[in-house]
This record gives sequence, C-alpha cells and structure tokens, in this order.
Amino acid sequence: EIVLTQSPGTLSLSPGERATLSCRASQSVGSSYLAWYQQKGGQAPRLLIYGASSRATGIPDRFSGSGSGTDFTLTISRLEPEDFAVYYCQHYGSSSWTFGQGTKVEIK
Amino acid sequence: EVQLLESGGGLVQPGGSLRLSCAASGFTFSSFAMTWVRQAPGKGLEWVSVVSSSGGSTYYADSVKGRFSISRDNSKNTLYLQMNSLRAEDTAVYYCAKLPSAGRGYYFDYWGQGTLVTVSS
Repeated sequence: EIVLTQSPGTLSLSPGERATLSCRASQSVGSSYLAWYQQKGGQAPRLLIYGASSRATGIPDRFSGSGSGTDFTLTISRLEPEDFAVYYCQHYGSSSWTFGQGTKVEIK
Repeated sequence: EVQLLESGGGLVQPGGSLRLSCAASGFTFSSFAMTWVRQAPGKGLEWVSVVSSSGGSTYYADSVKGRFSISRDNSKNTLYLQMNSLRAEDTAVYYCAKLPSAGRGYYFDYWGQGTLVTVSS
C-alpha cells in the first residue's frame, strides 16, 4: 500500500505570498493517479488538480501542480484570502484510493 | 449543476447499523462511479468505498470491509452506504462524491456536503 506524506504540516504565509506544498509517495506512482483537493473549514473538499498537473473546472490559474515519481508539488502563486485552507493530495492504485494527511495553509 | 445531498446520519450505539443515502442531480447518475469518503472529527480524509456506474463492481477500504456495503439505485439517482457492526472509530462526517468515469476512475470531481455519523453509547 502506497503511503502519501505531506509537508509541511502547517504553512504560515501572508496574502500575496507564494505557497509550495509537498506530497511524497512511499513508492513511485503514475502522474495520472495523483490529485489535490482544497477543504475550507466546515465545508466539503473541492477538487483542484488531477493527473498531477491538470486544473479542475473553474480552478484559478494561480493553482498549479507538478511532479512525478514519488515527489509532487502544489503551488499557489499568490495567496488570496480565500486560499487559506487545508490541502490534501490523493492517489489511486490497485483499486484503492489514499489521501495524504493534509497541509494547513494559515494566515501569518 | 452537479448536486449531491447526503442523508441518514445520526447517533447510533456501538454494534448498531445505519444506512446513508446520497441523492444525485445535475448529471447522468447511471454513467458515473460513485464513492463514500469519511472524515473523523479534526482528522483528515479517509476513502471508504467505490461502486461502479452499473453497481456491478464495488471496492472497500480494509477498515470497513465485511461491515459496510455500498450500493446504488440508478432509477432513483441515489447512492447508499449500509453500515453494520458500527464502532466508535467509525464516527465521522461521511461524504459522497462522484468519479469522472464509469469505472474505478482516479479522483473525485464533485462532493456532497456530508452527513455526520456518531457511534456512541
């Protein structure tokens, strides 16, 4: 079973700054199988990125995904007030879906 | 507009049963696989189960295998999760979500708002 480890656990940044979130897999995974979600307090998760780098419908272009193999990154180029939330990476493999433990992006 | 509305959550005693429902609208329900994902209070997301578009294929996390059963009624545009032998650790908000394809799919593109299940005596 592949384990996804996200870092850092919490990222403290100011609006307008760049956010870089990491998701590391315990073994190499196909890029097609890596997605990112955003969850704001008390709300359902929202799909941001699928296939490691494709933005979902309606997602602003300040969100971008990259990576391959075991290392994947979600970048928010300039943080907007509404971007402060928890972010999860997710992987599919062998008829099983796995989430990372999440990274909280908080206002500094 | 895709809409997913969960219901059926509540307080249940350990060892008890509960059935969750998810009413879908805004898309051709019978063409897409569906899933349940849960989130314990203050914790992260945990995948629970997936059912294919026809209902013929189902997949479960090890933590619920043998206790939970996923199903769907395409004539009613509704997804179900039958939960038996409930434990305290099953306490969570349960979300239903849609996959982007008929089969297993790789990610979840639309989510409902969730229903809270509390297992406690």
